[in-house]
Amino acid sequence: DAKTTQPTSMDCAEGRAANLPCNHSTISGNEYVYWYRQIHSQGPQYIIHGLKNNETNEMASLIITEDRKSSTLILPHATLRDTAVYYCIVRPTNSGNTPLVFGKGTRLSVIA
Amino acid sequence: DVKVTQSSRYLVKRTGEKVFLECVQDMDHENMFWYRQDPGLGLRLIYFSYDVKMKEKGDIPEGYSVSREKKERFSLILESASTNQTSMYLCASSPGQGRNTIYFGEGSWLTVV
Repeated sequence: DAKTTQPTSMDCAEGRAANLPCNHSTISGNEYVYWYRQIHSQGPQYIIHGLKNNETNEMASLIITEDRKSSTLILPHATLRDTAVYYCIVRPTNSGNTPLVFGKGTRLSVIA
Repeated sequence: DVKVTQSSRYLVKRTGEKVFLECVQDMDHENMFWYRQDPGLGLRLIYFSYDVKMKEKGDIPEGYSVSREKKERFSLILESASTNQTSMYLCASSPGQGRNTIYFGEGSWLTVV
């Protein structure tokens, strides 16, 4: 899997948008960008993934740059329950049963 | 919604005991995984399975075995628990057949004393 780079930590005010960046400059054409998060003492939670178009679901939006070398996860209205470690991962479309490899992620703290 | 259910959230076992960690998924997924997560070491893959009765070793299989007799159930077995197996254990599944999103259970915190 291609290497990703994320800031170690970020703060966000409750109710504001949280924008979490990820660099994946060595991404290949057949690799998706995935985002997961892990709230303390719980299992990782899938958030969203995309290939080259922007994606949105009920949890978040994913913005991928045109050259696909970076992306941003957007939580539109952060709440205290969004405090977690957020992981950006790239994986081939044909990864099949290949397990995930998590990096260190970004620790997001949502502040009241 | 995909549901991956781990049978026990918290367990305390004695050294030398046989330990079973059960995992069930309700979405007919082909692939299932067992990870352990330790501070500073991240997620490490123990075993995975891509079909019933099939299993593959991950990065750290020593001291563990697995069983997948039915598609929806993947069990992790510690034949003789040791203190260095104290950890959080995570079960996960993915659909397979080109659909690769992996979904995790809530985790099982195992303490071996």
